[in-house]
Amino acid sequence: EIVLTQSPGTLSLSPGERATLSCRASQSVSSSYLAWYQQKPGQAPRLLIYGASSRATDIPDRFSGSGSGTDFTLTISRLEPEDFAVYYCQQYGTSPLTFGGGTKVESK
Amino acid sequence: EAQLLESGGGLVQPGGSLRLSCAASGFTFSSNAMSWVRQAPGKGLEWVSAISGSGSSTYYADSVKGRFTISRANSKNTLYLQMNSLRAEDTAVYYCAKDSGYVRAEYFQHWGQGTLVTVSS
Repeated sequence: EIVLTQSPGTLSLSPGERATLSCRASQSVSSSYLAWYQQKPGQAPRLLIYGASSRATDIPDRFSGSGSGTDFTLTISRLEPEDFAVYYCQQYGTSPLTFGGGTKVESK
Repeated sequence: EAQLLESGGGLVQPGGSLRLSCAASGFTFSSNAMSWVRQAPGKGLEWVSAISGSGSSTYYADSVKGRFTISRANSKNTLYLQMNSLRAEDTAVYYCAKDSGYVRAEYFQHWGQGTLVTVSS
């Protein structure tokens, strides 16, 4: 199975700053079948990005995804107070579907 | 907008069984594959099982293969997960998720709020 490693584990930033989250795969993710989710405490995950770079419905354009092969990035251009959460990447190119361990973005 | 509502979670002894349900609304249920994804307390997400839109194809994580069975009733807009031979490591919040695809699991467009399953004596 494809193992996804997210880094850093925790990112401490202030509102207005730029966040850069990494997701590295143990083998190439076919067709850039990589998604990103946001999860806040006590809530279900929410889809942000699919196909490595396509924003889901109603997702603000401060969220962007990039990458291919084994290296993917989620960027939040300017952090808003509601963006402090845990972010997960997920690959769906190869069975079984797998998730990364998550990156927590916390307020400094 | 799609809405998913899970039910059936609770406390069960090791070796016991439980059946989860997920009632769907706001979309054409039979047009999408559906999945179950779980999250152990304080841990990350783990895909558990998926079923195609027609119900003819099913998929399982190795950790649950042979113990869990996914099914769906398109006439009732309902997804199920029958869980047998439960273990302590199955303790988690179980989410029902609407897949982007029809035949197989891909990415998850909508999620329910989850139902907690606790396996303990």
